[in-house]
Amino acid sequence: AQSVTQLGSHVSVSEGALVLLRCNYSSSVPPYLFWYVQYPNQGLQLLLKYTSAATLVKGINGFEAEFKKSETSFHLTKPSAHMSDAAEYFCAVSDPSGSARQLTFGSGTQLTVLP
Amino acid sequence: GAGVSQSPRYKVAKRGQDVALRCDPISGHVSLFWYQQALGQGPEFLTYFQNEAQLDKSGLPSDRFFAERPEGSVSTLKIQRTQQEDSAVYLCASSRTISGNTIYFGEGSWLTVV
Repeated sequence: AQSVTQLGSHVSVSEGALVLLRCNYSSSVPPYLFWYVQYPNQGLQLLLKYTSAATLVKGINGFEAEFKKSETSFHLTKPSAHMSDAAEYFCAVSDPSGSARQLTFGSGTQLTVLP
Repeated sequence: GAGVSQSPRYKVAKRGQDVALRCDPISGHVSLFWYQQALGQGPEFLTYFQNEAQLDKSGLPSDRFFAERPEGSVSTLKIQRTQQEDSAVYLCASSRTISGNTIYFGEGSWLTVV
């Protein structure tokens, strides 16, 4: 069984400040890990993914995440927040040994960017 | 198509009514998923199709929920005798291959049961 914990359901940062959204996972096998972003009234858009290659993964819109096996973490960061980054962010895990690649999601973190 | 398309985008149903939600995956995508997203929560897996075969329906919350993909492309999620707890966003997603690790989501169908 797999699970994802996102610490902090709401995070506020000032425009230009560092963004750090936390994600910890639990998995009995080496996982694939994902970050998705959801803007109001829209579906989920893939930001980045870790699939057992480089542990530091770069995604779209300046976001990146680092897979740390020892900490079972996959935190999302961005050096400088922009107003357009305000959205809800979901961390997800899948089992690469499974046939379906279904995703298990965390409960989400709402990011607010203050002017 | 260019992306995963879902219809209707918004549906208000009276309690006890049957509803049908449609998903058009990206053309040629083999795998299709349905997820349910309650307000303020992350999406939760409902069911998975590989072409026309429904290989996993372990996430369907009750026997009132039924999904099909008869020709391996368009899929329909049907909810019979809707209840208030069925109010949620229903997300459809697809991926190109069986083992594809990039899953593309539609914008969802927002169901409100009154």
